[in-house]
Amino acid sequence: QQPVQSPQAVILREGEDAVINCSSSKALYSVHWYRQKHGEAPIFLMILLKGGEQKGHDKISASFNEKKQQSSLYLTASQLSYSGTYFCGTERDLGNTPLVFGKGTRLSVIA
Amino acid sequence: ETGVTQTPRHLVMGMTNKKSLKCEQHLGHNAMYWYKQSAKKPLELMFVYNFKEQTENNSVPSRFSPECPNSSHLFLHLHTLQPEDSALYLCASSLSEPPGEQFFGPGTRLTVL
Repeated sequence: QQPVQSPQAVILREGEDAVINCSSSKALYSVHWYRQKHGEAPIFLMILLKGGEQKGHDKISASFNEKKQQSSLYLTASQLSYSGTYFCGTERDLGNTPLVFGKGTRLSVIA
Repeated sequence: ETGVTQTPRHLVMGMTNKKSLKCEQHLGHNAMYWYKQSAKKPLELMFVYNFKEQTENNSVPSRFSPECPNSSHLFLHLHTLQPEDSALYLCASSLSEPPGEQFFGPGTRLTVL
C-alpha cells in the first residue's frame, strides 16, 4: 500500500527543472506532498484530490492522474531553497484511512 | 506559542528506562498523530487520535504507549525500548475532516543505548 516515489534522488543546478512521481497500485482519494529539510519537520506543500486536478504555487506545481493513480510534482527554475526530501502521502478512502507516505525523493539543488 | 511543539527535542535512554515524549498543538486541531522516522525509512505512522479517541494503531509494539488527555496534548510513553527504536519521533496534528493538511512538530531525536 505504500506509494512508490521516483526518482530516489536527484541533483539539479539552479534554474533547472525536476519532476518527482508518486504511484500507487490502489485507487486513491487524495495525494499530499510534503518537503522536509535536513533536521527540520516536514512542511505541507499541497493536496490533490481524485478527479485529476492540478495545483501549484510559485514555481512548484503538481498533478494527479486518476487513471494511472499517479501524482507528479513539478519544480521549475529550481532554487537552492528547494533542496530537501520530498514525500508524497496517499489517502485511499475519504476519512477512513490515514496517510501512507512514500520513501521520499532527495532533491539537491547546487549553484 | 503557536504551531506544534514537542519536548524534549533530544533524549538518550537505556533499555530499562521509562520516559515520555510530549506533543502540544495550538492550532485548534482535533486529530493528532505519532510518526517514527528512521535513517532510511519513510514516515511510519504509529498512532492516530481523533477527538481524543485512538482510531489507529499501526501494529506498534506495546513498549510504546500513547496517551491523549485532550485535543491539544499527546504523549508517547516509552519503556524497555530496544536500540532499533532509536529514531526521530514526529508528532503532527490536523483537522479531522479529510483531506487535512498535517502540521508537524520539530520531532524528538531518541537514542536507545
